[in-house]
Amino acid sequence: EAQVTQNPRYLITVTGKKLTVTCSQNMNHEYMSWYRQDPGLGLRQIYYSMNVEVTDKGDVPEGYKVSRKEKRNFPLILESPSPNQTSLYFCASSWDSTSSYNEQFFGPGTRLTVL
Amino acid sequence: RKEVEQDPGPFNVPEGATVAFNCTYSNSASQSFFWYRQDCRKEPKLLMSVYSSGNEDGRFTAQLNRASQYISLLIRDSKLSDSATYLCGARDADGLTFGKGTHLIIQP
Repeated sequence: EAQVTQNPRYLITVTGKKLTVTCSQNMNHEYMSWYRQDPGLGLRQIYYSMNVEVTDKGDVPEGYKVSRKEKRNFPLILESPSPNQTSLYFCASSWDSTSSYNEQFFGPGTRLTVL
Repeated sequence: RKEVEQDPGPFNVPEGATVAFNCTYSNSASQSFFWYRQDCRKEPKLLMSVYSSGNEDGRFTAQLNRASQYISLLIRDSKLSDSATYLCGARDADGLTFGKGTHLIIQP
């Protein structure tokens, strides 16, 4: 089944404790992206990657890191989480990012709480 | 800064009615447009793409007005199962920018 998977789905952690949210897709997509979704603020892009070893900042990259060592994986790293990073996180992928009608598929989401 | 604006609602609509949403985008370089549906606490899923000539999929009709930089979604004969948040998205070379979503509640 074609899908984007994220782990963990739910995480409660404490301020400053490094964490990684994994994202994997099995569709051989070139483009991958991370979003966070907050009430009243909608979906905001954190980082994106157009291909292996190519990553770029989105609208809200502060406090996050990503890597794209393999095509299928795009982990999101919070080196020192803070309470304002409490949010619902979505990973997404598509064939590419160019101006075309490629559907962007989303993972099921990771609900992160930082205490 | 790229922005996509939507009326957050909620739109409370009786079952069977027709409802329309608009969405405006600021980036004139945006080339493709989409409507996504998101159910509570779930991931967004593609409802339909929005083509320049307008397109229809069953009870749903999407239209694009490039001159005014807005897209629209029309839902006819609304069903209870249409209750959800509808996100519009505009894509450029960097990826998809979404609006904050319009919350639709279909009432029996």
